[in-house]
Amino acid sequence: QVHLVQSGAEVKKPGASVKVSCKASGYTFDDFYIHWVRQAPGQGLEWMAWINPNSGGTTYAPRFQGRVSMTRDTSISTAYMELTRVTSDDTAIYYCARDQGYRSPSGLVGLDVWGQGTMVTVSS
Amino acid sequence: DIQMTQSPSSLSASVGDRVTITCRASQSISDYLNWYQQKPGKAPKLLIYATSSLQSGVPSRFSGSGSGTEFTLTISTLQPEDFAAYYCQQSYTTPWTFGHGTKVEIK
Repeated sequence: QVHLVQSGAEVKKPGASVKVSCKASGYTFDDFYIHWVRQAPGQGLEWMAWINPNSGGTTYAPRFQGRVSMTRDTSISTAYMELTRVTSDDTAIYYCARDQGYRSPSGLVGLDVWGQGTMVTVSS
Repeated sequence: DIQMTQSPSSLSASVGDRVTITCRASQSISDYLNWYQQKPGKAPKLLIYATSSLQSGVPSRFSGSGSGTEFTLTISTLQPEDFAAYYCQQSYTTPWTFGHGTKVEIK
């Protein structure tokens, strides 16, 4: 069974950084890109970035460029998303999701496995 | 960024109804269009990829069509478990973008 299990809820003060983990199991971690998508309370879905677990290469949405960093530790099949200088607008559920495309973020085959989500609350 | 416009934003329907949701892209995205279902408190679930390909395990009452800028998701016979929010998403170019969602409610 393929699973993505994320770290627990976080509460941060404005200006702080937050780091969320996403541990993969049931498949070869290196073979499928990991994406991060967030959802503000009562709102829609927003794509943030992807990481190639094999090379560590990343692509970020321009609006997060300079504030977000995606990394991975292949030895423990875990991807990380770090967001810096958070504000109340960053309060959201953060999801990691697997790209169904083998070794390519083709986009044509969608995000087939999702983590359970991590609630990040930014409040003073 | 490519804007994705879904309509309607919400709809009320009865079990057994045929439901159609429309998604329009601000520019051509070929067939790089995916559909997701999301139930309250849960992560999204992939239903349709590449405009019309049914994800493994998804019931055949779900179907997708379209190309270029106009796409539709159809539920042929609405079932009780289909009451949820539905999102289209373009993956033609980064940043990938989602529609604002369509909430399907019980009439």
